Amino acid sequence: RKEVEQDPGPFNVPEGATVAFNCTYSNSASQSFFWYRQDCRKEPKLLMSVYSSGNEDGRFTAQLNRASQYISLLIRDSKLSDSATYLCVLNTDKLIFGTGTRLQVFP
Amino acid sequence: GAGVSQSPSNKVTEKGKDVELRCDPISGHTALYWYRQSLGQGLEFLIYFQGNSAPDKSGLPSDRFSAERTGGSVSTLTIQRTQQEDSAVYLCASSLTNLGVGADTQYFGPGTRLTVL
Repeated sequence: RKEVEQDPGPFNVPEGATVAFNCTYSNSASQSFFWYRQDCRKEPKLLMSVYSSGNEDGRFTAQLNRASQYISLLIRDSKLSDSATYLCVLNTDKLIFGTGTRLQVFP
Repeated sequence: GAGVSQSPSNKVTEKGKDVELRCDPISGHTALYWYRQSLGQGLEFLIYFQGNSAPDKSGLPSDRFSAERTGGSVSTLTIQRTQQEDSAVYLCASSLTNLGVGADTQYFGPGTRLTVL
């Protein structure tokens, strides 16, 4: 089983929609979690950090469920500019990246 | 302040040649990572330096790959006798340290796009 698993998508949603991605992980010792976003042919950039049960930043909410070993990312009121690949990352003393979920927001 | 920088931004080389890729981490960051990403694929971990500890080389795909970090700052990734399958974007990232709230966030450089002909 992979250490981090994500649905590769793509998720195609209209502007204004709410979309959620899930990410499951296998290492229960993971101490912190991140969501990064990566635009086509660009480097990954930090979107959110999660050190406890969750985090919220504007339209973005991340929630961590340690018992079930998954972390989710919710995006409300999707914008065209949200189109990107979203990488789930966990820290087990080094960062382990998922392969990403692709989101495409259409007008 | 300055972010992570990498050079060159693009490198085209012939099969069998050696290449060196450079990474300048954010000043004061003790942890430095190398990844590679092939087109349309996820990040592949290569090697990780944390302070003065021995590096974690568990991700290096073959003995043609090596990396060093001099003086706890700049790092060089060397690929010897390059092969076509080495073509990828090589990304470097640094973080303040490897653990700790807020301290383990990785910041990425823009990458070096390597093409082996």
